[in-house]
Amino acid sequence: QQQVKQSPQSLIVQKGGISIINCAYENTAFDYFPWYQQFPGKGPALLIAIRPDVSEKKEGRFTISFNKSAKQFSLHIMDSQPGDSATYFCAASIMPNTGNQFYFGTGTSLTVIP
Amino acid sequence: EAQVTQNPRYLITVTGKKLTVTCSQNMNHEYMSWYRQDPGLGLRQIYYSMNVEVTDKGDVPEGYKVSRKEKRNFPLILESPSPNQTSLYFCASSFISSGRETQYFGPGTRLLVL
Repeated sequence: QQQVKQSPQSLIVQKGGISIINCAYENTAFDYFPWYQQFPGKGPALLIAIRPDVSEKKEGRFTISFNKSAKQFSLHIMDSQPGDSATYFCAASIMPNTGNQFYFGTGTSLTVIP
Repeated sequence: EAQVTQNPRYLITVTGKKLTVTCSQNMNHEYMSWYRQDPGLGLRQIYYSMNVEVTDKGDVPEGYKVSRKEKRNFPLILESPSPNQTSLYFCASSFISSGRETQYFGPGTRLLVL
């Protein structure tokens, strides 16, 4: 059973456009929601993360929107660039002290067309 | 340079032949994890460790063993590999600062079990 559901599976966006990737979760105990970026042949790299005490977090062109009541969170990439073409994973976790277990979405392959 | 290293990077083996994939980090992180990545399934956590001699099962621990005798090393052991363990494996180490957990992933080990 997938603890974190991610959509869409793939996404094609024009350069300069907004890329939006969505994730949903069921376990209300999750309190840490990171997004990872993975380029072909590389390991994932942490992009941005949010805790449930805020509804939005922005770092440069990347923004996480978090809706606690709907148990959903999304990644917005503003002014998308060809260099953003990668696979993006959302994840959910319960911050350590109780463990270090992470649950990942199935990934979104983003292609930004020049 | 801060990094997570894995060896080997590529491995072809046969069913039932025990193997070990090594993982080492030079950042003095307490937390380490192993993941497997399969198409359409994203990353799934196999085992994680919160400190030396402290390990726990992740989402898909069957058929795997780990040990954490030293802080820097977290080997993954497949006692009797089977074809369904053919996958891309990632080791990760992480630390927590200011309410944010940053995971660093290794470069991956691609395993084929015949």
